[in-house]
Amino acid sequence: AQSVTQLDSHVSVSEGTPVLLRCNYSSSYSPSLFWYVQHPNKGLQLLLKYTSAATLVKGINGFEAEFKKSETSFHLTKPSAHMSDAAEYFCVVTPPMIGGSYIPTFGRGTSLIVHP
Amino acid sequence: GAVVSQHPSWVICKSGTSVKIECRSLDFQATTMFWYRQFPKQSLMLMATSNEGSKATYEQGVEKDKFLINHASLTLSTLTVTSAHPEDSSFYICSARMAGGANYGYTFGSGTRLTVV
Repeated sequence: AQSVTQLDSHVSVSEGTPVLLRCNYSSSYSPSLFWYVQHPNKGLQLLLKYTSAATLVKGINGFEAEFKKSETSFHLTKPSAHMSDAAEYFCVVTPPMIGGSYIPTFGRGTSLIVHP
Repeated sequence: GAVVSQHPSWVICKSGTSVKIECRSLDFQATTMFWYRQFPKQSLMLMATSNEGSKATYEQGVEKDKFLINHASLTLSTLTVTSAHPEDSSFYICSARMAGGANYGYTFGSGTRLTVV
């Protein structure tokens, strides 16, 4: 079984300040973890993914996330927020490549609000 | 690479009519495609999983006779909302997984906004 918890439904930051979107997971195996972004009325775009390689993962648009097994966390960060980062962010966990049904489990989403 | 094209982007239809939504993997083979429904301000709800050449697996509570899914080839899956009603109005998103497993990630379509009037 697997689950993912996004701890904040909304995060509000000022442009130019750091961004932290929190994600905790539970899994009975070593999972793959993803962060997706969704702009209004758009589909989902992959930001980055962790698949048991380096624990610090760099993604697009300056985002990165660190896999911490001891804390079962995969928080998303960005040093400096931009207005265009305002969107909905989803943390996703899936079973590993070998075995499992591969069905991804979505967090409830975190809405990032960026103030000028 | 790994582009999924979903069409149409938006559609308005009358109650009682049927609407077909297409999901195509443009540059890869998708052995498995997923169909999601998203209500406003909520996360994605998995409706069904479709594997090429076999019947779709529907999640509990999803009416298979209302939401017909066909995955006839490795690059195309369709969702048909039959006899649509206003409560079917929603944002529908497809997702495809590349042959090779979960580590390759899931590519999402751009979504279809369905409005039933």
